[in-house]
Amino acid sequence: KNEVEQSPQNLTAQEGEFITINCSYSVGISALHWLQQHPGGGIVSLFMLSSGKKKHGRLIATINIQEKHSSLHITASHPRDSAVYICAVSFGYDMRFGAGTRLTVKP
Amino acid sequence: EAQVTQNPRYLITVTGKKLTVTCSQNMNHEYMSWYRQDPGLGLRQIYYSMNVEVTDKGDVPEGYKVSRKEKRNFPLILESPSPNQTSLYFCASSPGALPFEQYFGPGTRLTVT
Repeated sequence: KNEVEQSPQNLTAQEGEFITINCSYSVGISALHWLQQHPGGGIVSLFMLSSGKKKHGRLIATINIQEKHSSLHITASHPRDSAVYICAVSFGYDMRFGAGTRLTVKP
Repeated sequence: EAQVTQNPRYLITVTGKKLTVTCSQNMNHEYMSWYRQDPGLGLRQIYYSMNVEVTDKGDVPEGYKVSRKEKRNFPLILESPSPNQTSLYFCASSPGALPFEQYFGPGTRLTVT
């Protein structure tokens, strides 16, 4: 069993829809990271959180430490949000990654 | 501009021919790490470095070497590449040991034939 599980694996949405991507983990962590990987391959860090909730523009990330679960929400989705979203957890010097969620937003 | 650079971006090589992928950051970060990304397996950590002359193995270190002689540089060395090392490689850095936001390089696509 992977230490970091994401769902869904693939997600197709219409422009304007509210999107949720889920992440569950099974180890004790220092922080949880949400990353975005665009079709060109580059990876950008969106959020790092160890408790509560963070918001940046139309993106919201939440974490429930007791339940070992995090969600990434995208409000008013746009075709430019199409990317692979990766959940990762860090503990000590280690980082473990989920398999990613491929999001396609259609106009 | 704060950035992590990797070279080369693309490389096709043959089995057994030693190669080095360079990684450099201009943010004075202490922590640097190498990852490989494979379809169906996602990103996996190869090696990391907490500071100059301090490195340690990640999840998949076999077949790789690293060195950290200067703070800004963290090269990945494949002494004798094999086809199973065909992958997309990312270098990343952060101000200190995790948890800190990581800054990723653009990636190096390596093909070993």
